[in-house]
Amino acid sequence: AQSVTQLGSHVSVSEGALVLLRCNYSSSVPPYLFWYVQYPNQGLQLLLKYTTGATLVKGINGFEAEFKKSETSFHLTKPSAHMSDAAEYFCAVSDDFTGNQFYFGTGTSLTVIP
Amino acid sequence: KAGVTQTPRYLIKTRGQQVTLSCSPISGHRSVSWYQQTPGQGLQFLFEYFSETQRNKGNFPGRFSGRQFSNSRSEMNVSTLELGDSALYLCASSLADRAEAFFGQGTRLTVV
Repeated sequence: AQSVTQLGSHVSVSEGALVLLRCNYSSSVPPYLFWYVQYPNQGLQLLLKYTTGATLVKGINGFEAEFKKSETSFHLTKPSAHMSDAAEYFCAVSDDFTGNQFYFGTGTSLTVIP
Repeated sequence: KAGVTQTPRYLIKTRGQQVTLSCSPISGHRSVSWYQQTPGQGLQFLFEYFSETQRNKGNFPGRFSGRQFSNSRSEMNVSTLELGDSALYLCASSLADRAEAFFGQGTRLTVV
């Protein structure tokens, strides 16, 4: 069975500071990993995904994530936070056997302090 | 290219009633999934349809059902509504397996 753990339900950073949102997964087969962002009263928007190939994945809005198999992690980073980054962030995992069923973490709410 | 469209955006229903939510996927996407989002439980998978067939189902009671039409549009139905069914219901469509899911804005269901 798949599962995702996001450490830290709330993260606060100053504008211009590094953003680091943590995601660890559990999977018995090679995973496909995703980060989504959700703004208030909106659906989820894909930031980036890892399926195969390069383990450092670049996404939209300056975000990137690195797949580390040995640590079963897929942490999301951004070098410099912007006020518009304030939102809820979700890590998700799927695999070849679950079709398009995604297992989501509980989310991390990012606050950016001016 | 139009995104995933969910209707209605907001619904208020009374306990015991039933409700039907609609989702129109991105053109060409044959996979449609439904999720329930609540503050306490987060995002939970309800079911996935692919080419009119339910392919996966989450751990929800039989009151929750869905279907997909030949044009890939999907509906989900919740019967005998309970207060705990109050949630944001999200629909997502995918072009293929292992591809990203594109989400609609959701339907906010409130059961009173």
